[in-house]
Amino acid sequence: KAGVTQTPRYLIKTRGQQVTLSCSPISGHRSVSWYQQTPGQGLQFLFEYFSETQRNKGNFPGRFSGRQFSNSRSEMNVSTLELGDSALYLCASSLGVQAYEQYFGPGTRLTVT
Amino acid sequence: GQQVMQIPQYQHVQEGEDFTTYCNSSTTLSNIQWYKQRPGGHPVFLIQLVKSGEVKKQKRLTFQFGEAKKNSSLHITATQTTDVGTYFCAGGGSQGNLIFGKGTKLSVKP
Repeated sequence: KAGVTQTPRYLIKTRGQQVTLSCSPISGHRSVSWYQQTPGQGLQFLFEYFSETQRNKGNFPGRFSGRQFSNSRSEMNVSTLELGDSALYLCASSLGVQAYEQYFGPGTRLTVT
Repeated sequence: GQQVMQIPQYQHVQEGEDFTTYCNSSTTLSNIQWYKQRPGGHPVFLIQLVKSGEVKKQKRLTFQFGEAKKNSSLHITATQTTDVGTYFCAGGGSQGNLIFGKGTKLSVKP
């Protein structure tokens, strides 16, 4: 069974731009969660989607948004990028809601200059 | 909101020494999961504990879930260089969400 895939793997953007990251979950998984990982803050939860509906949301500004499609693929968007948005963005999928075992993708490394 | 505190933040051990990381929550958790992230990699699921007082073992790793379901620990016996990485606990919250601790970064000196 193929794992979670994320595209692109690396991205360099400048301040003020916007970016869209993509995540394809494991086949059959209906929940997709997004996390931001930085050296000082660990794994910070962004949001979770289950069957195209946002179930939970972390404490991030409205510049961070996401969506899930009918095939469970998910995208997250960050608008008006700031230097502090530089991080590894991880997507994780699970069979059920977020409290189930999470399968993480390799992440997208975003650098904002 | 609900938080899961994990200590220590860093641990440096000599190969062969034991290692323990602890997680604590102020509220009851529905379950606790443990993940390992190797340097440059992504978190990988290790185990899930659900029952009060549950203890599970995976070779040299022992996982415990407290009686009150508010704390958990991961103990590694006789560490090896392959154990290097960051260990995260994640507790099941009241809203069906998962709350990650900040992780314990383990380094092992050969």
